[in-house]
Amino acid sequence: SQQGEEDPQALSIQEGENATMNCSYKTSINNLQWYRQNSGRGLVHLILIRSNEREKHSGRLRVTLDTSKKSSSLLITASRAADTASYFCARTDSWGKLQFGAGTQVVVTP
Amino acid sequence: EAGVVQSPRYKIIEKKQPVAFWCNPISGHNTLYWYRQNLGQGPELLIRYENEEAVDDSQLPKDRFSAERLKGVDSTLKIQPAELGDSAVYLCASSSRLAGSYNEQFFGPGTRLTVL
Repeated sequence: SQQGEEDPQALSIQEGENATMNCSYKTSINNLQWYRQNSGRGLVHLILIRSNEREKHSGRLRVTLDTSKKSSSLLITASRAADTASYFCARTDSWGKLQFGAGTQVVVTP
Repeated sequence: EAGVVQSPRYKIIEKKQPVAFWCNPISGHNTLYWYRQNLGQGPELLIRYENEEAVDDSQLPKDRFSAERLKGVDSTLKIQPAELGDSAVYLCASSSRLAGSYNEQFFGPGTRLTVL
């Protein structure tokens, strides 16, 4: 079963725009991770935010975590065509199990 | 540094046939995972190893699936017999675990299985 729910399911934007996607979960977490998957390629880890952190940055990526609302967001700034991919949030529970959501499909058009 | 290696990349078999997937994790990673990813979905964990020990196999359909990780390095996932519903991408991942923390996982390219 998918334990993380991403919203929206799909997102279409133009190059240069920002893309924001959200993730909600139901139970407590050790950390929350975001991954990217290009068509036909493997999953690539983007960023990990621990349960005691509220915000993290990596290049053009910004992740926030609100444990009181059991939600996280991923912001991609100044998007590029190469950012076209599916983005998954995955939560790690207290026993180290990583559970993925169904993903957000992002299409960035030139 | 070499990434997670999986083979084969693609496999087409007829139902009721056996199939096996192989994974070589990143050197030094003590934790190894097998996931199954259906089209349009996120990966779902099948089994997690810490060294040689399977610490979570609750999602593994044990009537037809089996896995092993001899010597705590390479791993093999087997399906026997395969069913039509087993068509999916099978992903292997590895990570290093420090005491009390869980880190990012590194994924292999996956094996795309088609059962006819």
